[in-house]
Amino acid sequence: GAGVSQSPSNKVTEKGKDVELRCDPISGHTALYWYRQRLGQGLEFLIYFQGNSAPDKSGLPSDRFSAERTGESVSTLTIQRTQQEDSAVYLCASRGANYGYTFGSGTRLTVV
Amino acid sequence: DQQVKQNSPSLSVQEGRISILNCDYTNSMFDYFLWYKKYPAEGPTFLISISSIKDKNEDGRFTVFLNKSAKHLSLHIVPSQPGDSAVYFCAARVAGGATNKLIFGTGTLLAVQP
Repeated sequence: GAGVSQSPSNKVTEKGKDVELRCDPISGHTALYWYRQRLGQGLEFLIYFQGNSAPDKSGLPSDRFSAERTGESVSTLTIQRTQQEDSAVYLCASRGANYGYTFGSGTRLTVV
Repeated sequence: DQQVKQNSPSLSVQEGRISILNCDYTNSMFDYFLWYKKYPAEGPTFLISISSIKDKNEDGRFTVFLNKSAKHLSLHIVPSQPGDSAVYFCAARVAGGATNKLIFGTGTLLAVQP
């Protein structure tokens, strides 16, 4: 597609439930990133995928967080047993040949 | 440990005047700096960037200045327009990293008053 697509745009979930967030990157972009922005904070790196290489998971805050990407296609970020501190906007970005990212509009996750 | 800092959470400027957004960093290994602009309910969009080997990059109304000795960069917008009202994020990339991961600041909310 023309841009990075994320779904859902908003998600409200009960504490303890699992959630799955989806990112559809720009076609042909080999690199894909997940970031999150909690209220009043900057963008926090979570995970990076590049083609078929092993992902860089160094930013995942706990083992409740995991992400998958098959090849250069869709990625899903899964949060298990959600906690209130997981409430944030989760942003996906893809990158082509240059340094700049193209971000999606994000998924606003609220854990109640 | 906040490696990229934007110490002003907000800035208000009159239309037509200059907006100056500041960013400080602590990591000498950053080799590339970028500014992103974010409107509500949208993802950040790339605005302008600068390599660490330069001290200035200009694109239309937007100019980024880099002072490596002070570990400081700034974004100048002149003349400011009401449509420039948004959150501006400074970001930096670590040289030699395999991921091209960007480290972001906390953002500055710019309000341009008509």
